[in-house]
Amino acid sequence: RKEVEQDPGPFNVPEGATVAFNCTYSNSASQSFFWYRQDCRKEPKLLMSVYSSGNEDGRFTAQLNRASQYISLLIRDSKLSDSATYLCVVDLNSGNTPLVFGKGTRLSVIA
Amino acid sequence: NAGVTQTPKFQVLKTGQSMTLQCAQDMNHNSMYWYRQDPGMGLRLIYYSASEGTTDKGEVPNGYNVSRLNKREFSLRLESAAPSQTSVYFCASSDQGGQPQHFGDGTRLSIL
Repeated sequence: RKEVEQDPGPFNVPEGATVAFNCTYSNSASQSFFWYRQDCRKEPKLLMSVYSSGNEDGRFTAQLNRASQYISLLIRDSKLSDSATYLCVVDLNSGNTPLVFGKGTRLSVIA
Repeated sequence: NAGVTQTPKFQVLKTGQSMTLQCAQDMNHNSMYWYRQDPGMGLRLIYYSASEGTTDKGEVPNGYNVSRLNKREFSLRLESAAPSQTSVYFCASSDQGGQPQHFGDGTRLSIL
């Protein structure tokens, strides 16, 4: 299994749709998880951390499934401005080595 | 609040030339990182510095050197640039290894 794996997409969805991305990770002992957003030709920016109990920030919900070793990001009521690449990021080694970034899932929200 | 500052933002080099990419952070972070990003490849870690005075190789260190000049600054040097090093380079910093990283806005480097 690759260390951090994401479906590259693209996901093309209409405005107002709900879309979900999954990401799998290789080390069951991983402790910290994040979702980043990267706009075209820009730097990655932290979107949200992922907590064990799941967490929500407005239209965005992140969940962690330790048993199956995946995290998910749900976007409700998609906006045109949500079009970007979403990177799954995992601390595979309890902070002893750098975070591992997935290659990203590209989302295009269409009017 | 500058965060992570990279210079230059754009650079064109000829094969065989050398140059240094500069990175500075003002968040008092301990750890700093250099990545390259190529189409379809995602972010690939070149080198990182877990704390002042230490540096370690990442996934793709060949052809690069780094210097952690002090806690704020972490530079990346290409000694003899090659066309395969054409890429977008990002510097990032974090408080420590498992914490979220904050990125600079990148250096777009073309080597002819």
